[in-house]
Amino acid sequence: QVQLKETGPGLVQPTQTLSITCTVSGFSLTSYYMQWVRQTPGKGLEWMGFIRSGGSTEYNSEFKSRLSISRDTSKNQVFLKMNSLKTEDTGVYYCARDWELDYWGQGVMVTVSS
Amino acid sequence: DTVLTQSPALAVSPGERVSISCRASEGVNSYMHWYQQKPGQQPKLLIYKASNLASGVPARFSGSGSGTDFTLTIDPVEADDTATYFCQQSWNDPRTFGGGTKLELK
Repeated sequence: QVQLKETGPGLVQPTQTLSITCTVSGFSLTSYYMQWVRQTPGKGLEWMGFIRSGGSTEYNSEFKSRLSISRDTSKNQVFLKMNSLKTEDTGVYYCARDWELDYWGQGVMVTVSS
Repeated sequence: DTVLTQSPALAVSPGERVSISCRASEGVNSYMHWYQQKPGQQPKLLIYKASNLASGVPARFSGSGSGTDFTLTIDPVEADDTATYFCQQSWNDPRTFGGGTKLELK
């Protein structure tokens, strides 16, 4: 069955870099888009970006200058890296599959604080 | 960005029919999707491209609309439907989400 699971640090200091891994099973990353969505107290659900089945990426311009999405198909993993973190980046970060976001991971809570 | 506007909250009794609306600030064709989120859980896809029922979702859920006005209908509502419902458009860049409608049961 299709499963997605995010792993990452619970706490990150301001100005530092956030790294989250999404490990998937039950399907191939070369057949589906993979997207990142976050949910913050201030802005609710926000689409961050995606990596296409072919490996190219697109980002929300809100995050474009500090966000990177990549993958390792051999390990069935997708990666999110975002630098220059601020307290407003505190929230739950989700990976989700395909154009319609048909499957979501459980999410990882990230707190940005010193 | 395309702003999606939803009513903040609704309260209905079990067995009734409820319609949850989502209005877009500009046209999104039929590229509107609906999600259900229960406290402490990830969102779950209910309806994709305005009116298509996602796999495993009960037929009590249905969607309609095109352009700028969309509706998610639950008929009949059951106790387990207590949740927040979000719309999301994927026609315009960036894709955006509505603020959510919290559905409570009387």
